[in-house]
Order: sequence, then C-alpha cells, then structure tokens
Amino acid sequence: EVQLVESGGGLVKPGGSLRLSCAASGFTFSNAWMSWVRQAPGKGLEWVGRIKSKTDGGTTDYAAPVKGRFTISRDDSKNTLYLQMNSLKTEDTAVYYCTTEVTGGSGYYFDYWGQGTLVTVSS
Amino acid sequence: QSALTQPASVSGSPGQSITISCTGTSSDVGGYNYVSWYQQHPGKAPKLMIYDVSNRPSGVSNRFSGSKSGNTASLTISGLQAEDEADYYCSSYTSSSTQVFGGGTKLTVL
Repeated sequence: EVQLVESGGGLVKPGGSLRLSCAASGFTFSNAWMSWVRQAPGKGLEWVGRIKSKTDGGTTDYAAPVKGRFTISRDDSKNTLYLQMNSLKTEDTAVYYCTTEVTGGSGYYFDYWGQGTLVTVSS
Repeated sequence: QSALTQPASVSGSPGQSITISCTGTSSDVGGYNYVSWYQQHPGKAPKLMIYDVSNRPSGVSNRFSGSKSGNTASLTISGLQAEDEADYYCSSYTSSSTQVFGGGTKLTVL
C-alpha cells in the first residue's frame, strides 16, 4: 500500500523558514517524480513544484510564486521528500500535500497524495 | 501561469448528470492531452478521478467520464449520488513544464 506522510508544519513568522518532510513507502521511491501541492484555507489547489527521479536527472521545477524561495530535495536512501521554505510570506499559509507525479508517456498527473501538513505564516 | 477556469459551483439531483468545465489556453489544456481531475471531500486529501483527459484509474466508478474540445476540458458525472458531493479540480500540464490547477468547483447534490 502506498503511503505518503508529511510532517514539519507549524506556525512561523513572516520572513522565517520551515522544512517539510514527506516519508514515502509502498512503492519504489527512487523511480518516482514527486511534487508538492498546497491549499490555502478555503481556497483551491496550487502546484508548488516537483523533483524528478535521479534517473531523469533529479532536476526541479517550481511555480512562479515560490521560485527562488522554496527548494525541493530528496533522499532516496531514506525514501523521503523535502520542501525547504525560506522568506515565508503570509500568503504561503496553506496545507501542503506531498504527491507522486506520474509522467512521460503515461501522462502527467498526481496519483497518490499524503494527508497534508498545515503551515501557518503569521506574526 | 494563470489558474484554469472552472465554474464555482454546480448542482444536480440524485440520478441526474452534471458536467463541469475547465478552460485553459493552447499552452496547457489545448496543447496537451494531459488533463486530470480530482475529487476532494471536506478535510480530506484530493483523489484522482480522471487522467489523460478521459482515462479512469482502477476503482473509480464508470459514472465519471472526461473529454476535451480545444482549450476546454469537461468532467461528466452521470447517475449522481449523494457521495459525489465534493469539490472537483482540474489540472493540466503546461508548456513551461509545470502543472496548473483550476480554481475548483463545488458540486452540490440536491
């Protein structure tokens, strides 16, 4: 059974930093592209960014609102995905979901989701 | 990259069919057959319902179907049931190698 478990959320002041983790199990993590998707309270889903598998270069892509502030990384030896968030703004307040991203010839979509972790940016 | 455009809400009675539209541009919805749809119940994580415009993952009811014409994709739910009441989001791959979601549609089963 695929499981994605996020952790690391909490309350942080504007301008501060936070690192989220996502522990993966039930599939071959090293072969997977992984994405972060967030949802502000009462709002819709917003793609944050992705990291490709090392086989596909291990590169990252980011949405415009977080580019230069957020960094996605992975530790395949620990089956763990990370989201380092710096220079946080109040508008970054959201539930952050870790997802697997199916890609390439099979399409581009998010098939498995974690339960999410809440990040609140407030003074 | 602007969010894809979805109606804020739709409603239908049990047994009826409804369609939710998702409008983008030639740089996303119109340019690729990589539109997916997600169902989200309150307080829960999203669930994949349709991928690659019209494909259903294993375990998803065949009452859910997807299609696309030009820059607009659609999700149709036939034989509405009470448990279908939820928020629905479309998503598309883009020419910038990113992903973009729609604003979401709240489905009410009357």
